[in-house]
Amino acid sequence: KAGVTQTPRYLIKTRGQQVTLSCSPISGHRSVSWYQQTPGQGLQFLFEYFSETQRNKGNFPGRFSGRQFSNSRSEMNVSTLELGDSALYLCASKTTDEQFFGPGTRLTVL
Amino acid sequence: QKEVEQNSGPLSVPEGAIASLNCTYSDRGSQSFFWYRQYSGKSPELIMFIYSNGDKEDGRFTAQLNKASQYVSLLIRDSQPSDSATYLCAVNSGGSNYKLTFGKGTLLTVNP
Repeated sequence: KAGVTQTPRYLIKTRGQQVTLSCSPISGHRSVSWYQQTPGQGLQFLFEYFSETQRNKGNFPGRFSGRQFSNSRSEMNVSTLELGDSALYLCASKTTDEQFFGPGTRLTVL
Repeated sequence: QKEVEQNSGPLSVPEGAIASLNCTYSDRGSQSFFWYRQYSGKSPELIMFIYSNGDKEDGRFTAQLNKASQYVSLLIRDSQPSDSATYLCAVNSGGSNYKLTFGKGTLLTVNP
């Protein structure tokens, strides 16, 4: 069974730009969560989608948004990029008990 | 603010020893608890989860939960150099609306 896939794996953007990251969950998984990981703050929860609905949200500004499609694939968008948005963005899909992470997208904002 | 605290380490143990990793959490209503392992440059991978007070064993790994003390731990028996990684404790405080709060992780080094 294929794991969680994320594209692109690496991105370089400049301040003020926007970016869209994509995540394909494990087949059959309907829940997709997004996390931001930085050396200073660690892994922080962004939001969770289930059956195309945002079910939970972390403490991030409105510049961070997401959506989920009918095939459970999810996208995350960050608008008006700031230097502090440089991070590893991880997507995870879950069954009832277990959450599996994708390889992540490394975003660098210059 | 719901918090999960871990000793950042590094924790250094010799090969074959028992490594003990600890985690405390602030939300008394938390229901499920997870340990992830993250190798440098890789994404986290789930080691095990625990819901009930007591011990849960899986191979060389044992998770221990004490809800009264708001404390969860992970024991790694017969530690191997390949166990060298950062171990992340995560707590689900969202109930069925799944929301994991992660600790910042403990770096474990197993010396041959």
